[in-house]
Amino acid sequence: GAGVSQSPSNKVTEKGKDVELRCDPISGHTALYWYRQSLGQGLEFLIYFQGNSAPDKSGLPSDRFSAERTGGSVSTLTIQRTQQEDSAVYLCASSLFRGGFNYGYTFGSGTRLTVV
Amino acid sequence: TQLLEQSPQFLSIQEGENLTVYCNSSSVFSSLQWYRQEPGEGPVLLVTVVTGGEVKKLKRLTFQFGDARKDSSLHITAAQTGDTGLYLCAFFSSNTGKLIFGQGTTLQVKP
Repeated sequence: GAGVSQSPSNKVTEKGKDVELRCDPISGHTALYWYRQSLGQGLEFLIYFQGNSAPDKSGLPSDRFSAERTGGSVSTLTIQRTQQEDSAVYLCASSLFRGGFNYGYTFGSGTRLTVV
Repeated sequence: TQLLEQSPQFLSIQEGENLTVYCNSSSVFSSLQWYRQEPGEGPVLLVTVVTGGEVKKLKRLTFQFGDARKDSSLHITAAQTGDTGLYLCAFFSSNTGKLIFGQGTTLQVKP
């Protein structure tokens, strides 16, 4: 597609429920990233996929968070047993990473998650 | 430890004023990127600076990379209400393959 697409754009869930957030990256982009952003704050790295390599999960805040990327394209971020502190905007980005140079991220519009 | 320190954190100015936003670090970077994020949207890449001392201009925005490649600045001339948003600097870590962001500067331009 022309850009990075995320769905849903907004999600309200009850504490303790599981949620799945979806990201469709730009076709041909080899790298896919998930970030979390609290209101008015910078971006907190969560997880990174690059080609067929094992994902870098070093930013996941707890074992309730997991992500997968199927077929090198679509990615799903899953949060189990949601807590109120999980409320934030979850941003996905994809990039062309070649020859050790990153050509700049393209971000989706994010999913605003509210846990009540 | 925050590798990139942005200042100020918040800036509110009148339309037509000039402003400068800073991004500082004790580390040396091969490149730095600047992004702008409008409410309800993801960040959008504005520029990448690569060479120490480099200056890039994007209409009323001027970006500078420090000679030692440890810092960068963004200067906006004659700010407009459309410049309102969150400005983020970031560096790409080739070791980890990740883009690391500063905490951002929230700019509000009032009419």
